[in-house]
Amino acid sequence: KQEVTQIPAALSVPEGENLVLNCSFTDSAIYNLQWFRQDPGKGLTSLLLIQSSQREQTSGRLNASLDKSSGRSTLYIAASQPGDSATYLCAVQGGSEKLVFGKGTKLTVNP
Amino acid sequence: DTEVTQTPKHLVMGMTNKKSLKCEQHMGHRAMYWYKQKAKKPPELMFVYSYEKLSINESVPSRFSPECPNSSLLNLHLHALQPEDSALYLCASSQEGRAPDTQYFGPGTRLTVL
Repeated sequence: KQEVTQIPAALSVPEGENLVLNCSFTDSAIYNLQWFRQDPGKGLTSLLLIQSSQREQTSGRLNASLDKSSGRSTLYIAASQPGDSATYLCAVQGGSEKLVFGKGTKLTVNP
Repeated sequence: DTEVTQTPKHLVMGMTNKKSLKCEQHMGHRAMYWYKQKAKKPPELMFVYSYEKLSINESVPSRFSPECPNSSLLNLHLHALQPEDSALYLCASSQEGRAPDTQYFGPGTRLTVL
């Protein structure tokens, strides 16, 4: 059974700092890995999707990497801003329609 | 248009009420999903419809009844709910419903059962 773990559970940083969020998964037989952002009480916003054949994806200040063989992904956020404060969820898709989510990392960027 | 819309945004209901949640997408997607998310927990899959047919039911209690009238619309009918069913209900859609497939999420309906 696929399990997804995100570390740390919470992170507080000063504005302007670069930071890394970690995601690990137990079954490397995945099709893709997706990073989402969720603001309190809101839905999920897709940030980046990495196909299993890819090593990384970039969007603006965000860079996500995937090491399928070791079951790890990282989300790098450059020059963090208070508006980046949210919960970041990692999800993997295996051989079915199902997404398996981690519990998320709650990020707070302090002005 | 890459938007999934959900109505209502908030819903408060008693345990004897019958209500429905609505989800709509106009991206031509053929798969639609219902997720339940409790506070400080990740979303949990409830149902998947693929080409308007129910393809996955994650052993959800019968007081939740999904319906997919057409490829753009997904409903979740609620009846005789319990207070522990209070949660954020998220709808998502994807192109085909077969991996690999990107899921697009709606803003959710915040449900409170009294």
